[in-house]
Amino acid sequence: AQSVTQLDSQVPVFEEAPVELRCNYSSSVSVYLFWYVQYPNQGLQLLLKYLSGSTLVKGINGFEAEFNKSQTSFHLRKPSVHISDTAEYFCAVSVANNNDMRFGAGTRLTVKP
Amino acid sequence: DAMVIQNPRYQVTQFGKPVTLSCSQTLNHNVMYWYQQKSSQAPKLLFHYYDKDFNNEADTPDNFQSRRPNTSFCFLDIRSPGLGDAAMYLCATSRVQTGLVALLSGANVLTFGAGSRLTVL
Repeated sequence: AQSVTQLDSQVPVFEEAPVELRCNYSSSVSVYLFWYVQYPNQGLQLLLKYLSGSTLVKGINGFEAEFNKSQTSFHLRKPSVHISDTAEYFCAVSVANNNDMRFGAGTRLTVKP
Repeated sequence: DAMVIQNPRYQVTQFGKPVTLSCSQTLNHNVMYWYQQKSSQAPKLLFHYYDKDFNNEADTPDNFQSRRPNTSFCFLDIRSPGLGDAAMYLCATSRVQTGLVALLSGANVLTFGAGSRLTVL
């Protein structure tokens, strides 16, 4: 079965600094990859997704991620973060013809003034 | 707006007292999921319905049951909540298709509700 590992449980960063949240996946077949954001006491909101095609995908709120098949990674980046980006970020993976999406343990991004 | 709605947002129950959480969707998605998310952890899939077909995860306790009376609604029943069942319960939906249609249509994208936070006293 597919799985995903988020390498950092917490990432503190100052406002307007760049940030990278790391995600590595494991699967024996082709994958779909996702990043979701969760604000306190809310559900998960889709930030961006990779299904096929260009390996650099852009999402909402200025985030982007790059699919790297050789390194089995899908790291999330933002060039300049805001206080409002403080949230929990989840990387997720699914495979074709399968209803099962697996989530990583999450990375708590804290943006400080 | 089309969306996934969960009720109640907050539920407090006593140890052993049955609880039902509801989820409704206006997206006409064919798959509905229930996830359990404990504090500072990833969402854990409990089960999902593919249309009317129920798919239980192997490690989901028998204490958790689900019903999907129609396309729009899905319920999570916790028969005898224990202290360890206190968590956020997330409902999600997706339109799952196969083959080339899936690649072109953006299938397998989950849309989540806002969650129901369960407290067990």
